[in-house]
Amino acid sequence: DQQVKQNSPSLSVQEGRISILNCDYTNSMFDYFLWYKKYPAEGPTFLISISSIKDKNEDGRFTVFLNKSAKHLSLHIVPSQPGDSAVYFCAASAAQKLVFGQGTRLTINP
Amino acid sequence: EAQVTQNPRYLITVTGKKLTVTCSQNMNHEYMSWYRQDPGLGLRQIYYSMNVEVTDKGDVPEGYKVSRKEKRNFPLILESPSPNQTSLYFCASSFYGGGPYEQYFGPGTRLTVT
Repeated sequence: DQQVKQNSPSLSVQEGRISILNCDYTNSMFDYFLWYKKYPAEGPTFLISISSIKDKNEDGRFTVFLNKSAKHLSLHIVPSQPGDSAVYFCAASAAQKLVFGQGTRLTINP
Repeated sequence: EAQVTQNPRYLITVTGKKLTVTCSQNMNHEYMSWYRQDPGLGLRQIYYSMNVEVTDKGDVPEGYKVSRKEKRNFPLILESPSPNQTSLYFCASSFYGGGPYEQYFGPGTRLTVT
């Protein structure tokens, strides 16, 4: 039972345009949501997070939106840069556990 | 430099031969955790620890053991590895501020069990 789902395995975006990565969840007990970025041969690195009591959090080029009624969150990257090419994981936290989605591979084309 | 280290980075072993993957962090973090990454499944939590001598099961604990005798170290033990434990393993740590937020991950250990 996949509690956190990223339905798009891959996404290709032109450099300078907006990248939108999506994530759906099923457990309404999740109280924190996070996005991690992963380059090949490295561990994931934290990108941005949002509390379940908020609907938006912004950090530079990265914005995360949370729609609790739809149990959906999204990560917007604007403008997209070649260095953003990586695998992005969304994750959700409940109690002491962190549940990850399957990941979306983002490719930024020059 | 603040970091999480894992050893070994690569390991090929045979079914049933006990192995240990070490994990160490130098950030004085209370919370440590192990994950495995498999294609199409993302990262799944194996075990976590909220402090010394306090450990608990994650979503996929079967076939694994952990111990937390020191704050900085959190080894993952496979007593009798099987081929379905072939995977990419990550150790992570964070401050214990009410949840496993903003975890710092190690570089990963790729394990192959034949």
